Amino acid sequence: EPEVTQTPSHQVTQMGQEVILRCVPISNHLYFYWYRQILGQKVEFLVSFYNNEISEKSEIFDDQFSVERPDGSNFTLKIRSTKLEDSAMYFCASSGIRHSFWTQYFGPGTRLLVL
Amino acid sequence: SQQGEEDPQALSIQEGENATMNCSYKTSINNLQWYRQNSGRGLVHLILIRSNEREKHSGRLRVTLDTSKKSSSLLITASRAADTASYFCATGGNAGGTSYGKLTFGQGTILTVHP
Repeated sequence: EPEVTQTPSHQVTQMGQEVILRCVPISNHLYFYWYRQILGQKVEFLVSFYNNEISEKSEIFDDQFSVERPDGSNFTLKIRSTKLEDSAMYFCASSGIRHSFWTQYFGPGTRLLVL
Repeated sequence: SQQGEEDPQALSIQEGENATMNCSYKTSINNLQWYRQNSGRGLVHLILIRSNEREKHSGRLRVTLDTSKKSSSLLITASRAADTASYFCATGGNAGGTSYGKLTFGQGTILTVHP
């Protein structure tokens, strides 16, 4: 069964460094998302992406964050200058063939630790 | 205000018993979904119920939705030890139809099924 994959599974970085989290969504899906989950807290929406542009973003998704679909298969989340509070599990999700974008399939996550 | 609040926060039962988890939300929605998360892993989509539906079944899962009370319940019948996980409700959409796939998750219910 097709699945969303994410790399790396774990990333440790120093505060102020840039990180890029990578995701390969399910082939033929049209909608892509990033969510994050701070340890012990809710899963929070960051951004949705469709047709090569951001469809919707949350307040968390400020200028330090950016997303890109560089090559038609990968979907990346970049954090330009990481902060301690960016430490979280980051989930990529994809959905939607035709109009069924509400059923989202999540990857296993990247655990980011900012020191 | 919080969208998607589950109760109970934790539920401990014996194998074979039924487990019921509840979710309440604040604003109008297009749909409500339930996801499962095994410890430290990704989210697995279980079931989606649309705002114009009242009940839905999938295998041992039964979901109800009461839009007048802004609440939903997830029933897992004849539970198994393998059902041990965190269960999250997530709401999607809004009255204006301007949301493009953003899911708002609740805090989750931790279910433990003892063999």
